[in-house]
Amino acid sequence: GDQVEQSPSALSLHEGTGSALRCNFTTTMRAVQWFRKNSRGSLINLFYLASGTKENGRLKSAFDSKERYSTLHIRDAQLEDSGTYFCAAVGYGNEKITFGAGTKLTIKP
Amino acid sequence: EAAVTQSPRNKVTVTGGNVTLSCRQTNSHNYMYWYRQDTGHGLRLIHYSYGAGNLQIGDVPDGYKATRTTQEDFFLLLELASPSQTSLYFCASSDRGQNNQAPLFGEGTRLSVL
Repeated sequence: GDQVEQSPSALSLHEGTGSALRCNFTTTMRAVQWFRKNSRGSLINLFYLASGTKENGRLKSAFDSKERYSTLHIRDAQLEDSGTYFCAAVGYGNEKITFGAGTKLTIKP
Repeated sequence: EAAVTQSPRNKVTVTGGNVTLSCRQTNSHNYMYWYRQDTGHGLRLIHYSYGAGNLQIGDVPDGYKATRTTQEDFFLLLELASPSQTSLYFCASSDRGQNNQAPLFGEGTRLSVL
């Protein structure tokens, strides 16, 4: 079945630095969505992309359906960025939404 | 305003108990989904549906039934709850990408099976 491989599973950054999270897909996906899980356990939508790139503040996401991957870049990381981030990919035709296993991001002072 | 509403938000039951989790969407979306989320895992798809009366099997369906009674309502049924079903459950709806709209997720239902 459709699989989504998310990496890294955990990431530690110092404030002010940046890095990227990545999701690779085993099949071609129609769209991708990125979330952060907040302290109450709810999913906060960060980005939804059917193609190309989107940017919002210190976050930027890219999705390449043909190459079967998506990335989430964080720059100038702040303490409040800590949390678990998920990608979710939408399959063509079946509209099945498959999640990656998540990246636990820790921002250190 | 587009929304996915789950009820109850918290539920405690005993092993062998009968539980129904409810999800309602007011977005006129065709697709609805039920997921469970456990530590160390992403959200895992239990069942989903593309319309009233339809049911598609997800990746972790064992021990769960689901029913889509209307376009708006999707129910997850645990007829003989087990402790392994203690989890955080999310419902979602989607419009198949029409209008480039993102899938919408509920706030989650925390279920504990004692």
